Amino acid sequence: QVQLVQSGSELKKPGASVKVSCRASGYTFTHNALHWVRQAPGQGLEWMGWINTNTGNPAYAQGFTGRCVFSLDTSVSTAYLQISSLKAEDTAIYYCARVPSSGGCYFDYWGQGALVTVSS
Amino acid sequence: DIVLTQSPGTLSLSPGERATLSCRASQSVGSAYLAWYQQKPGQAPRLLIYGASSRATGIPDRFSGSGSGTDFTLTISRLEPEDFAVYYCQQYGSSPYTFGQGTKLEIK
Repeated sequence: QVQLVQSGSELKKPGASVKVSCRASGYTFTHNALHWVRQAPGQGLEWMGWINTNTGNPAYAQGFTGRCVFSLDTSVSTAYLQISSLKAEDTAIYYCARVPSSGGCYFDYWGQGALVTVSS
Repeated sequence: DIVLTQSPGTLSLSPGERATLSCRASQSVGSAYLAWYQQKPGQAPRLLIYGASSRATGIPDRFSGSGSGTDFTLTISRLEPEDFAVYYCQQYGSSPYTFGQGTKLEIK
């Protein structure tokens, strides 16, 4: 069965960096793009961008360029989200989500989410 | 960017009743490139509907989606206790792939 398993909660100080992982199983990793979605506490869902798991090419939504980097390690079927120069407003749950093989940028499987808390 | 506006913000209904949730786009969402998700507290979103009206795998047939262009609807024909949650629409017709702000479906 398809699973996306994310790394655990992180507590970071302002200015630090964090790297969230998303390990895929149950399907061929390079056949489905992975997207990242942010959810601030008590708020809605915000699309951050995506990474082509075949080529490794990332694309970022406006507002997530500069401090966010998407990357892959295809040898372990894992995608990563790294955020640098963390600010308090980066406190959120970060989800990875898969798009279906059939096409269309909707999300058929989601990771369980990784809570990143930025606080001094 | 396409802005999605969901209404109402909160919907209070009783089990067994019919729920109608609306999602309006600021411009046409291509060929019905609209999805609906359900999110319960402490859980990741779950895909319900894609292509405006196609149910995802394992989704009960009491959930249905309709609409095209700029106006879309999610209907839950007879509410079960487990249906009370927050519902989001998402357009994937053009990047950035935006979400609506959500409708909270609560028990009356």
